[in-house]
Amino acid sequence: AQRVTQPEKLLSVFKGAPVELKCNYSYSGSPELFWYVQYSRQRLQLLLRHISRESIKGFTADLNKGETSFHLKKPFAQEEDSAMYYCALSGTGNTPLVFGKGTRLSVIA
Amino acid sequence: EPEVTQTPSHQVTQMGQEVILRCVPISNHLYFYWYRQILGQKVEFLVSFYNNEISEKSEIFDDQFSVERPDGSNFTLKIRSTKLEDSAMYFCASSRGTGDGYTFGSGTRLTVV
Repeated sequence: AQRVTQPEKLLSVFKGAPVELKCNYSYSGSPELFWYVQYSRQRLQLLLRHISRESIKGFTADLNKGETSFHLKKPFAQEEDSAMYYCALSGTGNTPLVFGKGTRLSVIA
Repeated sequence: EPEVTQTPSHQVTQMGQEVILRCVPISNHLYFYWYRQILGQKVEFLVSFYNNEISEKSEIFDDQFSVERPDGSNFTLKIRSTKLEDSAMYFCASSRGTGDGYTFGSGTRLTVV
């Protein structure tokens, strides 16, 4: 079964501090991992996907198959980064995305 | 940038009534989904739809729920007889296929009273 775990419900950091939002997954095959962001009262937006290995808004995430993790990182947090962040996994064969419970990031000025 | 559109943004209904939530996916997307998020809880998968039929559904998607793509552009979720516990934010999403990620609509907040 597919499972995504985000252990932190809330993460507060000061502006300019590094950020790491943790995500661990459970899946027997080769997963596709995503990070979605939800700003206040807005829709879920795709932030990153592991296959593209891109950096969006300064965020990066590396898939670590040994540790079954896909942590989201940013070296210097900005106030506008405050939002809910969801890690999501899709298995092979276009199986539906499974979401973690989300982490609320609060960046304090 | 193309968007997934959902209407209405907020719907209040009495317990036992039928509701239809509407979605217009992105036009060149082939896969369509409904998710829900009960207040304070995680985003949960309901159903996926491809090639005019349900491709997968979760345990939540019982006989009270149905989906339809009536006219090639709209994608609807019907709840036949709403219960209090159906109160949630319902998100529609679409994608081109594997690995692309989903584009989500802004959601419909359903309140059952």
